[in-house]
Amino acid sequence: NAGVTQTPKFQVLKTGQSMTLQCAQDMNHEYMSWYRQDPGMGLRLIHYSVGAGITDQGEVPNGYNVSRSTTEDFPLRLLSAAPSQTSVYFCASSYSTRPSPNEQFFGPGTRLTVL
Amino acid sequence: GESVGLHLPTLSVQEGDNSIINCAYSNSASDYFIWYKQESGKGPQFIIDIRSNMDKRQGQRVTVLLNKTVKHLSLQIAATQPGDSAVYFCAENNFRGNDMRFGAGTRLTVKP
Repeated sequence: NAGVTQTPKFQVLKTGQSMTLQCAQDMNHEYMSWYRQDPGMGLRLIHYSVGAGITDQGEVPNGYNVSRSTTEDFPLRLLSAAPSQTSVYFCASSYSTRPSPNEQFFGPGTRLTVL
Repeated sequence: GESVGLHLPTLSVQEGDNSIINCAYSNSASDYFIWYKQESGKGPQFIIDIRSNMDKRQGQRVTVLLNKTVKHLSLQIAATQPGDSAVYFCAENNFRGNDMRFGAGTRLTVKP
């Protein structure tokens, strides 16, 4: 198993550009989520999904969209990038529909810079 | 302990010593707590968890203590090794929903 994979690893955008961060898992996990991590702050939940076709907002959803058309993939879309979205983004997945932290696996992260 | 602002608290220990990392949580309704380890350039990795009906739980070389009265959590690492150098952060969860909240973390540096 590859676990949770994220692409790209690094990305630089200009203000106003759009892009999609990819996340995939091959563990047949139902629950997937996106977090952002900023210097000196804890991970903050952006969006999450409890299964294919179901998504919901987390703590900081503004400026981001998600979809879950398959169990494996959970892409995060930045609609119009802003410097405030400069951050490291982590995707995570777990088997159960409620996050069970002892089963939650994180991807390696995507470092995004918005100029 | 937890940080406010841009700079993480740091803890520097000698190899072989015991380390204690502290965390203050905010929500008295939280009933599940987790410690994560994050090495440079990597995603967080689960270390140990504890439910609110317990006050202590032990793993391999790690012990988590929970004091609900003062909403305090600690992670003890025995015989700290250079490979333990990382940022450690706690998370609190409420089983009523997908509402996990993460602390900012403490940077542990192990000196050989």
